[in-house]
Amino acid sequence: EDQVTQSPEALRLQEGESSSLNCSYTVSGLRGLFWYRQDPGKGPEFLFTLYSAGEEKEKERLKATLTKKESFLHITAPKPEDSATYLCAVRQGGFGNEKLTFGTGTRLTIIP
Amino acid sequence: DSGVTQTPKHLITATGQRVTLRCSPRSGDLSVYWYQQSLDQGLQFLIQYYNGEERAKGNILERFSAQQFPDLHSELNLSSLELGDSALYFCASSVGGQGLLRGGYTFGSGTRLTVV
Repeated sequence: EDQVTQSPEALRLQEGESSSLNCSYTVSGLRGLFWYRQDPGKGPEFLFTLYSAGEEKEKERLKATLTKKESFLHITAPKPEDSATYLCAVRQGGFGNEKLTFGTGTRLTIIP
Repeated sequence: DSGVTQTPKHLITATGQRVTLRCSPRSGDLSVYWYQQSLDQGLQFLIQYYNGEERAKGNILERFSAQQFPDLHSELNLSSLELGDSALYFCASSVGGQGLLRGGYTFGSGTRLTVV
């Protein structure tokens, strides 16, 4: 069965202290790995999609990378507003019946 | 505002009762997905509809059912509610088969269900 595991479960950083979040996956034929940000009491907000090993995408202080077995979300010089839970998910299924399987997330807290 | 509308935002009900959660997808999106998020299990896929038809099922209990109407809005019906059904229920939408290629789902803000 396809699985998505995120680590660490929680991470506290000082403002400006860079770090990385990990998402490891076991899927038969990756068809897309997705990163989302979720604020408390709100729905997940799409960040990135990665499709092939070696691919990288950036958005402001965030950079997502993908290898054959895992993805990293690098956070450079984070600010308090980056505090959130970061979720990764893998795509399963085909046309018209695809779904995303999510990890349990990393709860990131940036301390001013 | 993501464009996906979920109502109600909060719902408190007693065990054994039945509730209906409603979702209006983003304009132009044909697929609707329902997810359950509890503290200990994260986001769990329940069911997907595409243009009115059920297309994929996840770990959805037999007490739960859903449908998508001709105007593409969807309803999730939860019956014989138990304390363990308390959770956030999210609806997400995408354009359909190619939706994920364009960047994933768009999620609504969820319905918080509390069963007492």
